[in-house]
Amino acid sequence: NAGVMQNPRHLVRRRGQEARLRCSPMKGHSHVYWYRQLPEEGLKFMVYLQKENIIDESGMPKERFSAEFPKEGPSILRIQQVVRGDSAAYFCASSRLDRITTNEKLFFGSGTQLSVL
Amino acid sequence: KQEVTQIPAALSVPEGENLVLNCSFTDSAIYNLQWFRQDPGKGLTSLLLIQSSQREQTSGRLNASLDKSSGRSTLYIAASQPGDSATYLCAVRPFPSGTYKYIFGTGTRLKVLA
Repeated sequence: NAGVMQNPRHLVRRRGQEARLRCSPMKGHSHVYWYRQLPEEGLKFMVYLQKENIIDESGMPKERFSAEFPKEGPSILRIQQVVRGDSAAYFCASSRLDRITTNEKLFFGSGTQLSVL
Repeated sequence: KQEVTQIPAALSVPEGENLVLNCSFTDSAIYNLQWFRQDPGKGLTSLLLIQSSQREQTSGRLNASLDKSSGRSTLYIAASQPGDSATYLCAVRPFPSGTYKYIFGTGTRLKVLA
């Protein structure tokens, strides 16, 4: 049973380009969470999605950032017109259910390191 | 607003030592608290999860405690090994919350010297 798969592992973009980060959740998981880790900072929640629905995007910047989790295929975090401040590690996590028992764990992918030149 | 702090930010110990990592949070209204391990260039691995009603959890050489009323958790690592070198993250899941909007600390970078 493969874990949470993220690709690419490293992504280099020039200012103004678009960045697309992909996340395939664990088999059987239909809930996906994106977190961002800026240098020397903790992980910060960005967005929570279920299949075809954005449930909570309160942590995502209002401009240039968007996320989707289509019925088929991986979840995509899209950053348009990237700026140097977008350079960070972006982690995806998945879970089987959302508000179940209190001992449901989150499973994280290895992250995508985005570098904006 | 919930804030999570981890002290120390970095720690170096000789192999074999027992050590304690600290995590504090400002709001005691939490569902649970998780300790994660993060290796360079890799994702997070969940080590221990403590429910709000529990006081501690153990897994092998690891023991995590939770004192919700004082807003503190500790991760105790017994007989440390070089393979334990990593960044350890503490995260709380606020209450009420139906989602996994965990609040993370900035971590403790642990180095165990052979």
